[in-house]
Amino acid sequence: DAGVIQSPRHEVTEMGQEVTLRCKPISGHNSLFWYRQTMMRGLELLIYFNNNVPIDDSGMPEDRFSAKMPNASFSTLKIQPSEPRDSAVYFCASTPGQGGGTEAFFGQGTRLTVV
Amino acid sequence: SQQGEEDPQALSIQEGENATMNCSYKTSINNLQWYRQNSGRGLVHLILIRSNEREKHSGRLRVTLDTSKKSSSLLITASRAADTASYFCATDDSMEYGNKLVFGAGTILRVKS
Repeated sequence: DAGVIQSPRHEVTEMGQEVTLRCKPISGHNSLFWYRQTMMRGLELLIYFNNNVPIDDSGMPEDRFSAKMPNASFSTLKIQPSEPRDSAVYFCASTPGQGGGTEAFFGQGTRLTVV
Repeated sequence: SQQGEEDPQALSIQEGENATMNCSYKTSINNLQWYRQNSGRGLVHLILIRSNEREKHSGRLRVTLDTSKKSSSLLITASRAADTASYFCATDDSMEYGNKLVFGAGTILRVKS
């Protein structure tokens, strides 16, 4: 398996534009997580899905952020409209099982810069 | 929100020395995991210790867990320059529908050759 695949790797956009980040989890994994990493706030859990269903989105900062998982092999994180403070590295991760106790596999991340 | 808090924030040692990083957390957990992140890369899982375990080893890594003090430590023995990275603890706030991993702020380790 190629691991968790995120695209794009880098994104530069202007303030006010819509940004869509994509993630393909490892085949067979049941849980998918979106994290945001910044120097100031560290690694923040934004939302996670189990069997394609959003379980906890309490980390989503504002209504400008939305995430979907239409099927087991694809998820998106959308920011509309984007703001400079959204600049960060966004990571997607997946885990094989539900019920706890399994390691997370991370993608390489998307570095987002909003100017 | 962050559950785990690592200390020190940064650690610089000579190659061959041991490196110890600590993690404290606030709520009850099912397990605690340690991850490593090289600059510009995603996190990589190192080791998992369950709440009913006190110590675990994996190669040059040794992890301890003290649930009474809500703390864990990661020891890297005989460090190498290639161990230079950020290290994070993650607590598993397991819920009914799968594990929810919450990460601490991390310790930046620099191993000088």
